[in-house]
Amino acid sequence: GQQVMQIPQYQHVQEGEDFTTYCNSSTTLSNIQWYKQRPGGHPVFLIQLVKSGEVKKQKRLTFQFGEAKKNSSLHITATQTTDVGTYFCAGPSNTGKLIFGQGTTLQVKP
Amino acid sequence: EAQVTQNPRYLITVTGKKLTVTCSQNMNHEYMSWYRQDPGLGLRQIYYSMNVEVTDKGDVPEGYKVSRKEKRNFPLILESPSPNQTSLYFCASSLSWGSLYSNQPQHFGDGTRLSIL
Repeated sequence: GQQVMQIPQYQHVQEGEDFTTYCNSSTTLSNIQWYKQRPGGHPVFLIQLVKSGEVKKQKRLTFQFGEAKKNSSLHITATQTTDVGTYFCAGPSNTGKLIFGQGTTLQVKP
Repeated sequence: EAQVTQNPRYLITVTGKKLTVTCSQNMNHEYMSWYRQDPGLGLRQIYYSMNVEVTDKGDVPEGYKVSRKEKRNFPLILESPSPNQTSLYFCASSLSWGSLYSNQPQHFGDGTRLSIL
């Protein structure tokens, strides 16, 4: 079945360092969503990418959707302690399911 | 306030004792879904519903039931809970599934932590 893989599973960075998480799908995706879950919280929608090669920015966060629409990345520039949490990508099947990656948990040392 | 409300937030129970986790949304959303979250496995979809009286299996439906008799409610039923169903459960809703090229963002409840002994 359709799978969405995410790496790395964990990342520890010093505050101010950059961070990237990668998302790979076994099938071509029509779009991809990114969510952030703070420790003890629930996932919160960040952004959706639809077009091949699309790049979107939200302040220090940069989201990319691959040309083949099978991979995506989230890059955070100059991490802050408020960036701590688990970041998930999610892609839809054509039957109504939403497939989440395993998530990347980011720890930031002040 | 627009929200997805789950109850209970925490539950410790024993194997075989039927339980229901309720989920209610006040946003008139058509699409609702249940996920379980386990360490290292991310969020796995249990069941989803595109509208009233329409439900479908997600990736891990075994041992669970759902119903969608009203638009706002989507309860998750564990008829005979087992220890491998110990997990963190999230209900989510979105305006609609939308077109294939632009599905709506999901709004999540605060989660229900279930422990089955």
